[in-house]
Amino acid sequence: GQNIDQPTEMTATEGAIVQINCTYQTSGFNGLFWYQQHAGEAPTFLSYNVLDGLEEKGRFSSFLSRSKGYSYLLLKELQMKDSASYLCAVSLYSGAGSYQLTFGKGTKLSVIP
Amino acid sequence: NAGVTQTPKFQVLKTGQSMTLQCAQDMNHEYMSWYRQDPGMGLRLIHYSVGAGITDQGEVPNGYNVSRSTTEDFPLRLLSAAPSQTSVYFCASRRDRLNEKLFFGSGTQLSVL
Repeated sequence: GQNIDQPTEMTATEGAIVQINCTYQTSGFNGLFWYQQHAGEAPTFLSYNVLDGLEEKGRFSSFLSRSKGYSYLLLKELQMKDSASYLCAVSLYSGAGSYQLTFGKGTKLSVIP
Repeated sequence: NAGVTQTPKFQVLKTGQSMTLQCAQDMNHEYMSWYRQDPGMGLRLIHYSVGAGITDQGEVPNGYNVSRSTTEDFPLRLLSAAPSQTSVYFCASRRDRLNEKLFFGSGTQLSVL
């Protein structure tokens, strides 16, 4: 089976840096996505990693280590609007050239003044 | 550009009733999917389609039917609603069956009494 773990909740201060970790144990791994979901809204795409290393996109960075089954999302210069749930999703090959996303349970981040 | 459009936004059903959740996308995406999101469970894949006339089951397909007669539309049918189907449902699409980001609709909050 597939197992994706991330912390349930985190709290950080405005202006600070926060790291949200995701570990996975899956078969047929083909990359890892991070999504942001504000309360009552749809998930929106943040980042995608398929090779080991760091991908930087503005205030957000994402890291992947395939050998360790580990990823993290790094948020810098936190703003109040960053309060949201962050979803880790593993891309798995399901046959016939198709890939499916399996999601972790999400990490609810609260940014406080 | 509307993206992925879901209707209705809210729905209340009685146990045993049937209904169809509508999903349409105007991005000419080949791949469409349905997820449900429950507290503490994360997003779980119900059904997906890699093109018109092709559908397949995800992780939690029981109690749901889908069809894909056109590229644009991917309705989800509940044949006999049960309280266990109370959830938020998201439709999502991407360009093709390959490993790319998903675009989500705004969701349908369904309550089954």
